[in-house]
Amino acid sequence: GNSVTQMEGPVTLSEEAFLTINCTYTATGYPSLFWYVQYPGEGLQLLLKATKADDKGSNKGFEATYRKETTSFHLEKGSVQVSDSAVYFCALSDRDSSYKLIFGSGTRLLVRP
Amino acid sequence: DGGITQSPKYLFRKEGQNVTLSCEQNLNHDAMYWYRQDPGQGLRLIYYSQIVNDFQKGDIAEGYSVSREKKESFPLTVTSAQKNPTAFYLCASSKSRRTYEQYFGPGTRLTVT
Repeated sequence: GNSVTQMEGPVTLSEEAFLTINCTYTATGYPSLFWYVQYPGEGLQLLLKATKADDKGSNKGFEATYRKETTSFHLEKGSVQVSDSAVYFCALSDRDSSYKLIFGSGTRLLVRP
Repeated sequence: DGGITQSPKYLFRKEGQNVTLSCEQNLNHDAMYWYRQDPGQGLRLIYYSQIVNDFQKGDIAEGYSVSREKKESFPLTVTSAQKNPTAFYLCASSKSRRTYEQYFGPGTRLTVT
């Protein structure tokens, strides 16, 4: 079945450092891929998405490129801020999963001033 | 201001009692979802509804029940049969079953003692 694997956290960075959070997926079809962010005590917010191979999703300085050849959707940001501290979830959805979202286990990011 | 509301934010119950969590959306979305989140883990799907008066079990439906009598409302009942009910519960909605994007409410943290 479909699945999503994320790098384990926590990831601790200093402000203005470069961020990469790895995400790989297994899917039988052609999924859409998402990154969601969860701030402490809150629900999830959609951060960015990509619906086909080679698409790049971007939002708030974050980027991720849909790489079909490596089945990856790594999240990157050039310069993190303290306010980026949160848990980041990679997810996929496709017709084979009945359009249900399948989430990775989440990666906690802590940015120190 | 469109969105998803969940109430209350914190809920405390004694073991053996049923408890109902509220979820309301004014986005005019057809599909609604309930997820459970445990510390350090990803989200697991409890139930989902694609249309009024219809719902399907997700991956961990045992001990839970739902109803969908109105398009904007999708309450979740945590019954006494649920062995480990203490968790963070998130409600989400999407425009239709075939829409990949889901929008999340702020969540309800349920503690059962």
